Amino acid sequence: DAGVTQSPTHLIKTRGQHVTLRCSPISGHKSVSWYQQVLGQGPQFIFQYYEKEERGRGNFPDRFSARQFPNYSSELNVNALLLGDSALYLCASSAQMRRPLNTEAFFGQGTRLTVV
Amino acid sequence: AQKITQTQPGMFVQEKEAVTLDCTYDTSDPSYGLFWYKQPSSGEMIFLIYQGSYDQQNATEGRYSLNFQKARKSANLVISASQLGDSAMYFCAMREAVNRDDKIIFGKGTRLHILP
Repeated sequence: DAGVTQSPTHLIKTRGQHVTLRCSPISGHKSVSWYQQVLGQGPQFIFQYYEKEERGRGNFPDRFSARQFPNYSSELNVNALLLGDSALYLCASSAQMRRPLNTEAFFGQGTRLTVV
Repeated sequence: AQKITQTQPGMFVQEKEAVTLDCTYDTSDPSYGLFWYKQPSSGEMIFLIYQGSYDQQNATEGRYSLNFQKARKSANLVISASQLGDSAMYFCAMREAVNRDDKIIFGKGTRLHILP
């Protein structure tokens, strides 16, 4: 079975540009979450989507947006890129939402975004 | 205030020795879950072990055990008989029941080096 797949694996963009990152969850998983991991830090929660609806949003500017498609895949969009957006962007999928608390989140290998 | 604190940025341990990675957390929610993840250089977050706030016994998963001290708000990871393949970043993380979403809050991590 395929795990969580993310594309592209690496990306270099220029300040001010726009970027789209993609995530395919594990088959049957309806919940997708996005995290940003800056070098030397732990991942920070950006968004969660469940059944195509936004269910949670972290403390990120409106330049960050996301959506989930009918097949439960997801896109993360970042506009007007800043140097500080350089990070590893991780996608996680879960079979269900919230309950129980030990519902495991399966992570992809991430997209390494470099903004120059 | 930091919700998850990992005070050891890096650790060096001899192969086959046991190692303890420290984690303290802060929450006012009586219902929460604590996780440990391993992140190798490839980037994906690998789930290791889970402890629920109401669990009476410390969690164990193979060579991993969690030393849960609720009154101290401490959830240290113990790896027995360390192996070279254990070299990686380790993150302590928490999920709170009060949140509407599945957000996982991560610490800054500890980089573990296993020496041959």
